[in-house]
Amino acid sequence: EPEVTQTPSHQVTQMGQEVILRCVPISNHLYFYWYRQILGQKVEFLVSFYNNEISEKSEIFDDQFSVERPDGSNFTLKIRSTKLEDSAMYFCASMVGTYNEQFFGPGTRLTVL
Amino acid sequence: GQQVMQIPQYQHVQEGEDFTTYCNSSTTLSNIQWYKQRPGGHPVFLIQLVKSGEVKKQKRLTFQFGEAKKNSSLHITATQTTDVGTYFCAGRSNDYKLSFGAGTTVTVRA
Repeated sequence: EPEVTQTPSHQVTQMGQEVILRCVPISNHLYFYWYRQILGQKVEFLVSFYNNEISEKSEIFDDQFSVERPDGSNFTLKIRSTKLEDSAMYFCASMVGTYNEQFFGPGTRLTVL
Repeated sequence: GQQVMQIPQYQHVQEGEDFTTYCNSSTTLSNIQWYKQRPGGHPVFLIQLVKSGEVKKQKRLTFQFGEAKKNSSLHITATQTTDVGTYFCAGRSNDYKLSFGAGTTVTVRA
């Protein structure tokens, strides 16, 4: 069964460093998402991406964040200068079309020291 | 902006008992989805409700969408230890964004 994959599974970085989180969505999906989940809290929407551009973003997704789909398979989230409060689990999700379910990847745990 | 509220935050259930978790949106939804997240895992889709007043069942799970499409509930009967996890509702108001509730974390006493 197709699945969303994410790398790395765990990323440890120093405050102020840049990180890139990688996702490979399911191949025929058209909508891509990033979410974050701070430990013990709810899943928070960051950004959605469709047709090679951001379709919606939350207030969390400020200028420090960016997303790219550099080729036909990868979908990346970049945090330019990490802060302590960026420590969280980051989930990528993809969806084949509107009004379908989202398939979540296993997540990348980001720890900012 | 749209807010999705979910209660209760925690549910401690005796094995074999029933429970219900409730989800309320500040705005009318086009549809609502339910996800389950096992401890240490990622959200996994359970079901989607689209029509006003819709009721769907999956074995011991019954999902309901309110007439006004602003609230939803998940009822689990005869709780089992495999039901442990956090249940999230997620409301969609447009094509691109799901707004998740805070989740109901379920623990089961054997």
